[in-house]
Amino acid sequence: KAGVTQTPRYLIKTRGQQVTLSCSPISGHRSVSWYQQTPGQGLQFLFEYFSETQRNKGNFPGRFSGRQFSNSRSEMNVSTLELGDSALYLCASSLKGGQHEKLFFGSGTQLSVL
Amino acid sequence: QKEVEQDPGPLSVPEGAIVSLNCTYSNSAFQYFMWYRQYSRKGPELLMYTYSSGNKEDGRFTAQVDKSSKYISLFIRDSQPSDSATYLCAMSEETSGSRLTFGEGTQLTVNP
Repeated sequence: KAGVTQTPRYLIKTRGQQVTLSCSPISGHRSVSWYQQTPGQGLQFLFEYFSETQRNKGNFPGRFSGRQFSNSRSEMNVSTLELGDSALYLCASSLKGGQHEKLFFGSGTQLSVL
Repeated sequence: QKEVEQDPGPLSVPEGAIVSLNCTYSNSAFQYFMWYRQYSRKGPELLMYTYSSGNKEDGRFTAQVDKSSKYISLFIRDSQPSDSATYLCAMSEETSGSRLTFGEGTQLTVNP
């Protein structure tokens, strides 16, 4: 069974640009969550999607957005990039995002903003 | 102040040592407590999962939760070089679903 797949693995962008990251969950999983990981802040929750609807949102500015498609694949977009957006962006999937479900993480997309 | 505090280390121990990793938290609504292991250039993987207070054992790993002290621990017995990784504690409230609050992570190195 294939794991959570994130593309691309590495991205280099400049300030002011926008970026789109992609996540394919484990087959059959309908909940996709996104996290930002930085050395100083650790992992921080961005948002969660289930059945194409955003179900939960963290404390990030509106420049961070996402969506989920009917096949459960998800994308997140960051507009007007800032230097502080440099981070590892992790996607996690689970069956329904329920409390007792195990989250499976992808290997992440490493974004560098210059 | 962060909701979850975790000493980032780094922590270096000899092979075979008992390792103790800890987190403290301030949100009394946290009910679910987890430990994740993250290898370099990989995503976190779930090691232990505990609901409310108590102990849980799985092989060489033991997780403890003390809600009265708002303190959780992970013990690794007979540590191996393959245990070298970053260990992250994570917590969630009753209705948080996939929204987890993580500690910063402790970097562990087990030396042969």
